[in-house]
Amino acid sequence: AQSVTQLGSHVSVSEGALVLLRCNYSSSVPPYLFWYVQYPNQGLQLLLKYTTGATLVKGINGFEAEFKKSETSFHLTKPSAHMSDAAEYFCALTGGFKTIFGAGTRLFVKA
Amino acid sequence: GAVVSQHPSRVICKSGTSVKIECRSLDFQATTMFWYRQFPKKSLMLMATSNEGSKATYEQGVEKDKFLINHASLTLSTLTVTSAHPEDSSFYICSAVSEGAINEQFFGPGTRLTVL
Repeated sequence: AQSVTQLGSHVSVSEGALVLLRCNYSSSVPPYLFWYVQYPNQGLQLLLKYTTGATLVKGINGFEAEFKKSETSFHLTKPSAHMSDAAEYFCALTGGFKTIFGAGTRLFVKA
Repeated sequence: GAVVSQHPSRVICKSGTSVKIECRSLDFQATTMFWYRQFPKKSLMLMATSNEGSKATYEQGVEKDKFLINHASLTLSTLTVTSAHPEDSSFYICSAVSEGAINEQFFGPGTRLTVL
């Protein structure tokens, strides 16, 4: 069975602070992993993805994530939070054909 | 590239009416499209998978007679909510996959359906 777990439904950081959003997965096949961002009443925008190769992937808006097979994790980080980063973030896994989404983490950025 | 559009972006309808939502891949051919439903402050729930020219595959618990899906061409899939009721109010999002990149979905901007 495949699953995606996002630890923490809400994360609050100060502007300029490190952003860390956690994602753990379970998959019986080599996974493709994604991070998406969603702003209110909008669709999903791809931040970054891991398919094969380099385990540290860089995405848009300064975000990056590291695929750690031994820890079955794919945590999303950004060195310095910006107010515009406040949004909902979804970790997703595609193994086979269907995509499974985590429950989402709402990121709050305090001035 | 890889742009997916949805129309309408927002629709309000009376209970008992039917509503059609269109999902279009604008610059690629989508062999497969997915329809998701998202409840407030919740994650995306896959409703069905549609392949061009064939019947959609519905997820368990999704009423196929209520949520009619048609994928008539490689660039268009439609979701029709028949005899809509207030509990059908939700955010509906489609995504499309091209034949050359089956593991990456491109998402539409979503359609907010409100049934009065």
